Amino acid sequence: DAGVTQSPTHLIKTRGQQVTLRCSPKSGHDTVSWYQQALGQGPQFIFQYYEEEERQRGNFPDRFSGHQFPNYSSELNVNALLLGDSALYLCASTGTSFNEQFFGPGTRLTVL
Amino acid sequence: GDSVTQMEGPVTLSEEAFLTINCTYTATGYPSLFWYVQYPGEGLQLLLKATKADDKGSNKGFEATYRKETTSFHLEKGSVQVSDSAVYFCALPLGYSSASKIIFGSGTRLSIRP
Repeated sequence: DAGVTQSPTHLIKTRGQQVTLRCSPKSGHDTVSWYQQALGQGPQFIFQYYEEEERQRGNFPDRFSGHQFPNYSSELNVNALLLGDSALYLCASTGTSFNEQFFGPGTRLTVL
Repeated sequence: GDSVTQMEGPVTLSEEAFLTINCTYTATGYPSLFWYVQYPGEGLQLLLKATKADDKGSNKGFEATYRKETTSFHLEKGSVQVSDSAVYFCALPLGYSSASKIIFGSGTRLSIRP
């Protein structure tokens, strides 16, 4: 079992650009959550996907959007990047027969 | 609203020292409480949890007791090792399912000297 995987590992973008981050959940998991972890801070919840729909959303602007595919993998899209979007983006997955969320290693996004 | 406050770091200790990382929470109802650990270059791993008041979570020599009267969930270890060097997060799930949104503290970086 590969666990939760995320791609790419690192990414550098400039202000105003758009970015797509990808997440493959752990085998058997159908729910994917995304978190933003700014440097020196704890992760903050962005949103969660289940059955290809956004089920919960945190306090993030509409520039942050996502998608879940039929195979349960997910994408996080960020439009009109700002310097403040520089962070580690974490994906977590779980399923109804599991009792915890499993986190991936994250994608480090740097906005210049 | 619901929140978690944890001891600021960094914390530097010598090997075999006693460790305490303080965590307090504000929450409605009686949630579960978690400690996560983040090793360099890795994702978050659930270290231990407690699901109700007076429960003690334990794993890898770490312990934390859910204290409702002081709204605390302090992390302790009797004898730390160099391999314990990591960032530790106290966390509060906002619900009772595994998919519940999680609120994290700001993290405490722990460094252990040989």
